[in-house]
Amino acid sequence: SQQGEEDPQALSIQEGENATMNCSYKTSINNLQWYRQNSGRGLVHLILIRSNEREKHSGRLRVTLDTSKKSSSLLITASRAADTASYFCATDAGYSTLTFGKGTMLLVSP
Amino acid sequence: EAGVAQSPRYKIIEKRQSVAFWCNPISGHATLYWYQQILGQGPKLLIQFQNNGVVDDSQLPKDRFSAERLKGVDSTLKIQPAKLEDSAVYLCASSLVAGGLGTEAFFGQGTRLTVV
Repeated sequence: SQQGEEDPQALSIQEGENATMNCSYKTSINNLQWYRQNSGRGLVHLILIRSNEREKHSGRLRVTLDTSKKSSSLLITASRAADTASYFCATDAGYSTLTFGKGTMLLVSP
Repeated sequence: EAGVAQSPRYKIIEKRQSVAFWCNPISGHATLYWYQQILGQGPKLLIQFQNNGVVDDSQLPKDRFSAERLKGVDSTLKIQPAKLEDSAVYLCASSLVAGGLGTEAFFGQGTRLTVV
């Protein structure tokens, strides 16, 4: 079963704009992670936020976590064409089993 | 450091045939995952190993899928017999530790399986 559910399913923006995608989950978690997948490639880890953290930054990435609402958001600032990819949230709810959502497809046009 | 290695990259087989995928995780990583990713969907966990023991195989179709992790290092995933619905990308990933400590997973490039 898939715990995380990303929203929107697809997002199309222009270079330089910000991109925001959301993730909702169902059960309590130890941490939540975001991954990127370029077409035809494996997934690449972007950022991890623990259940006792509310916000985390990494370069142009900003992740928030609201455990009361069981939701997280990923913000990519000043998007570039190279950011075009699918983005997945993954929850770690115990035994470190990573459960992925269906993903958000981001298209950044030059 | 070397990444997660998977082979083959592509495989085309007829239904009812068997197929095997191989994964070599990053050296020292205790946890190994096999995921199935159908086009347009997120990765679905098939099996998770901690060293050479199985942590979670609840979504592994055990009547046709099997997996092993020899000596807690390399792993193979086998499908026998294959069905059309098994067409997907099979992803192997590894992480340093497990058990809620929360470490990132490193993924291989995946094996794209087409069953015709």
